[in-house]
Amino acid sequence: GQNIDQPTEMTATEGAIVQINCTYQTSGFNGLFWYQQHAGEAPTFLSYNVLDGLEEKGRFSSFLSRSKGYSYLLLKELQMKDSASYLCAVRGATGYALNFGKGTSLLVTP
Amino acid sequence: GAVVSQHPSWVICKSGTSVKIECRSLDFQATTMFWYRQFPKQSLMLMATSNEGSKATYEQGVEKDKFLINHASLTLSTLTVTSAHPEDSSFYICSPKPDLPYEQYFGPGTRLTVT
Repeated sequence: GQNIDQPTEMTATEGAIVQINCTYQTSGFNGLFWYQQHAGEAPTFLSYNVLDGLEEKGRFSSFLSRSKGYSYLLLKELQMKDSASYLCAVRGATGYALNFGKGTSLLVTP
Repeated sequence: GAVVSQHPSWVICKSGTSVKIECRSLDFQATTMFWYRQFPKQSLMLMATSNEGSKATYEQGVEKDKFLINHASLTLSTLTVTSAHPEDSSFYICSPKPDLPYEQYFGPGTRLTVT
């Protein structure tokens, strides 16, 4: 089975930087995803890591350490529209289905 | 990314009735479709995996006779919630198996409310 942990809630200020952590324990690993989900909407893809290291994409970066079972999503220059739930998801060794963490609700304040 | 549509986007039905949700991949052929559901303030949970032309496989705790999945073509998978009850009220989302491992997109979801 898979156990994926991330903080339930975080608050940050507009313009600041926030880091959302995700730890996982899996019987197999074939990639880690981060998604953004606004209330009432489906998740939208943010990033994918399968090798150790940092992937940067605009204001969003994602880091992975497979040996530590650890990832983080870094959001820079926060905007009010970044207030959303951020989901960490892991793909197991077989198949393409994803196992999701419970999500981190991020509130960006003025 | 992959273009996936779902219909309807929301539906309200009475307890005991059945509801069919359609998931279409618009720009590629999906040999496999994953169906997830999300209860309020919870994360997505995989319900079942459907493969074109064969029976779906269900996750533990998901009743296969209640949630009927049909994957009759490479562009259409359907989920039918039979004899729906209020506890089936949820957000149902489909996600096709990607051609490339880093492409994992979701349909827009269907919100089901059973009264």
